[in-house]
Amino acid sequence: DTGVSQDPRHKITKRGQNVTFRCDPISEHNRLYWYRQTLGQGPEFLTYFQNEAQLEKSRLLSDRFSAERPKGSFSTLEIQRTEQGDSAMYLCASSLAGPGTEAFFGQGTRLTVV
Amino acid sequence: DAKTTQPNSMESNEEEPVHLPCNHSTISGTDYIHWYRQLPSQGPEYVIHGLTSNVNNRMASLAIAEDRKSSTLILHRATLRDAAVYYCILRGGSNYKLTFGKGTLLTVNP
Repeated sequence: DTGVSQDPRHKITKRGQNVTFRCDPISEHNRLYWYRQTLGQGPEFLTYFQNEAQLEKSRLLSDRFSAERPKGSFSTLEIQRTEQGDSAMYLCASSLAGPGTEAFFGQGTRLTVV
Repeated sequence: DAKTTQPNSMESNEEEPVHLPCNHSTISGTDYIHWYRQLPSQGPEYVIHGLTSNVNNRMASLAIAEDRKSSTLILHRATLRDAAVYYCILRGGSNYKLTFGKGTLLTVNP
């Protein structure tokens, strides 16, 4: 297993367009988390999945954001009608369930909305 | 979410030990103390975690106070590659999410 991978690494889009990001977690991990990070700040939690079930969504996740994890494998994060404020690094992490387990992060997708 | 407090920045010299402090006075009995670090333009990287006892791994050591209200990440010999933002995080609750603060920016001088 090569770790958590995210695609694409960089995305430039025009305001108002829809974008979709993909995350492939470590295969045996049942937990998958999405975070957003802006310059100079720590990552902010967006949502997480236990297998295919989305169990929590942050208030940061507006109606324009949707995430899925079909069959409990890879996950996608879609942003509809992008705004300039959506420009950020989007990070995916996976882990086994439990507070005493390590979480592994992908390299992130950097989104720039112009 | 349980909060942690870390210094904004610290500086060290190469090949010297570094002690990064973290206060977490509101820690609950089931919270694990995790440390992650993040290099520029990369995702966070796991460093170490513990519950009550001190922990060692190939990257670092974690010293946990007896009352668990504070901890210290110890890098035994800092290298230039250790320059990063270090995050101290409490992981617990039902969702086990990692709640990041601003972390400590570690600068390593050659």
